[in-house]
Amino acid sequence: GAVVSQHPSWVICKSGTSVKIECRSLDFQATTMFWYRQFPKQSLMLMATSNEGSKATYEQGVEKDKFLINHASLTLSTLTVTSAHPEDSSFYICSARGLRRGVRDTQYFGPGTRLTVL
Amino acid sequence: KQEVTQIPAALSVPEGENLVLNCSFTDSAIYNLQWFRQDPGKGLTSLLLIQSSQREQTSGRLNASLDKSSGRSTLYIAASQPGDSATYLCAAPYYGGSQGNLIFGKGTKLSVKP
Repeated sequence: GAVVSQHPSWVICKSGTSVKIECRSLDFQATTMFWYRQFPKQSLMLMATSNEGSKATYEQGVEKDKFLINHASLTLSTLTVTSAHPEDSSFYICSARGLRRGVRDTQYFGPGTRLTVL
Repeated sequence: KQEVTQIPAALSVPEGENLVLNCSFTDSAIYNLQWFRQDPGKGLTSLLLIQSSQREQTSGRLNASLDKSSGRSTLYIAASQPGDSATYLCAAPYYGGSQGNLIFGKGTKLSVKP
C-alpha cells in the first residue's frame, strides 16, 4: 500500500510557458505533501510543504509566485511552474504523508517528473 | 537545522564483496530514518525505514542500523551484485521548520563490478 503517483513523468516545454505537475496519493489520504527538486548530480532539496486546504510553506530561496502549489484535496497536490526558463529544468519529486495507521510520519515518494525547458 | 552527511561519496567494489555505507545526522530528535536507492534518471526506491525505537532493520541482503545518540546510521550490503549499482541516499526528518520534511544526504554512488 501507500502508493504515490506523479503526472506527467516527463515534460519538455518552451521557455515562457507554464507546466503543471500532479502528485496523487492513490490509497491513503495525505494531510501533508512535500515538493522536492533535484538538479543533476545533486541531492533532493525541499521546495515547499503543502497542507490540504491551506497555503503552502516555501523554503528560503524558492519563489512562491513562480512555483504555485495547490493542495485542494487529501489526495492531490499540484505544482505549477509558471513562465518556465531553462534554469528550471530539473527533476521534481513529491512525497506524501498520511493519516492512516502505518503511514503516519512516513513519507511516500512519487516517481518524479523530469522537466526540460528549451 | 538538520544536516545529513554521507561517506563515501562514491564506492567501487568487486562483485560479492560486503560493504558499508555511512550516514551521519546532526539533529537526533527524529522518529525515523530512511535509506533510499536511486538509479540514474529515476525516482527514489525506499529500501529501509528504521524507527527511532529500533536499532536495526533488515531486508534481504540489506541491513540498516541506527544510533541516535551518536547521530549515525549505516547501511550494510551483503554479497554485493552488479544490480546493486546505484546511488544510495540517507534521509532524516527535520521538525524545526517544515513539519518533518526529509533532509537528504548527497548520496553514495555505488558501482559493483562483475
